[in-house]
Amino acid sequence: QQQVKQSPQSLIVQKGGISIINCAYENTAFDYFPWYQQFPGKGPALLIAIRPDVSEKKEGRFTISFNKSAKQFSLHIMDSQPGDSATYFCAARVGQGAQKLVFGQGTRLTINP
Amino acid sequence: DGGITQSPKYLFRKEGQNVTLSCEQNLNHDAMYWYRQDPGQGLRLIYYSQIVNDFQKGDIAEGYSVSREKKESFPLTVTSAQKNPTAFYLCASSIAGLGTEAFFGQGTRLTVV
Repeated sequence: QQQVKQSPQSLIVQKGGISIINCAYENTAFDYFPWYQQFPGKGPALLIAIRPDVSEKKEGRFTISFNKSAKQFSLHIMDSQPGDSATYFCAARVGQGAQKLVFGQGTRLTINP
Repeated sequence: DGGITQSPKYLFRKEGQNVTLSCEQNLNHDAMYWYRQDPGQGLRLIYYSQIVNDFQKGDIAEGYSVSREKKESFPLTVTSAQKNPTAFYLCASSIAGLGTEAFFGQGTRLTVV
């Protein structure tokens, strides 16, 4: 019940296209859903995050869509650029206080020029 | 500059030896975390600490130990009891609270030789 399932494992998109990564969860106690971006050999960095009382959040080219009833959320990257090539992790947090994040397995995104 | 510093970046250990990974933050964050990352997998929580002199086991604490004697420091010891220690280790910190961002260090890649 603590798992977050992420798909696909890898994704190749042409420059200018839309990249879509999906995540699903079971634990309805999760109260915060961040997405992290990680470049090779680096630590993850927060990209965008959403609370379950919001269905969509947009920051620049990045949008999270959240479907509470289906227990699914997704990351959309519009006008994908080669610089977006990285590994993306969805995550979910339960409980206040410490950030006990449960991470998805990650998606390796490649944007072809 | 504020941030999280992990050292060393690369670490080699002989089987049967204990090794300690350093994590220091100057963000004045109360909470600190250690995650392990393996290829093709998400991040898994090893230990976390919400306050000085207190820490809790995460999902994969066996074979690891930590201490939190100072707010800014949270070292991780990988003991000889850890069966498969070769991995990328990530330290993070956050303000304890709802929906706050966890900041990650650049990671330490540990290889057992």
